[in-house]
Amino acid sequence: DAGVTQSPTHLIKTRGQHVTLRCSPISGHKSVSWYQQVLGQGPQFIFQYYEKEERGRGNFPDRFSARQFPNYSSELNVNALLLGDSALYLCASSSQYEQYFGPGTRLTVT
Amino acid sequence: GQQLNQSPQSMFIQEGEDVSMNCTSSSIFNTWLWYKQDPGEGPVLLIALYKAGELTSNGRLTAQFGITRKDSFLNISASIPSDVGIYFCAGQLAEKLTFGTGTRLTIIP
Repeated sequence: DAGVTQSPTHLIKTRGQHVTLRCSPISGHKSVSWYQQVLGQGPQFIFQYYEKEERGRGNFPDRFSARQFPNYSSELNVNALLLGDSALYLCASSSQYEQYFGPGTRLTVT
Repeated sequence: GQQLNQSPQSMFIQEGEDVSMNCTSSSIFNTWLWYKQDPGEGPVLLIALYKAGELTSNGRLTAQFGITRKDSFLNISASIPSDVGIYFCAGQLAEKLTFGTGTRLTIIP
């Protein structure tokens, strides 16, 4: 069975631009969560979506938004990019309690 | 953002040695999970713990959910080269995982 997939793998953007990251969960999983991992730190929770509804939001500015589609895939959008947004963005899917992570999208903001 | 206190920060061991790391929090969690992350990849789930006091094994890995629900430890027995990586604990409450600061494991030839 395919695991969590994310695209693109790498992305380079300029300050002020916006970016869209995509995630497909494990088949049968209805919940998707997004995390930001800055180099040298553990992942930080951004959002969780379940059945297309936002279930939780971490301490991130309104420049960060997300949505979930009827097929349970998800997009993370970040507007007005800052240098500090450079990080590995991880998507995790879950059916109940355990969250399984994808390989991440490495975003570099220059 | 909040991160759990994980120790040690790094470990340098020889192949075959046992490893022990732990994670503490000021908050109570309903579930504790342990992940391993290799460079450039996403975290891989190793063990999940659901009840206070629970002791769970997965091959050479053993983890326990602390009685107070504020801590957990992970042991790795007879380490092998593929154990190299960064280990993260994570406490779960509702939809949110809060991660530890990570333990970097290096095996000395």
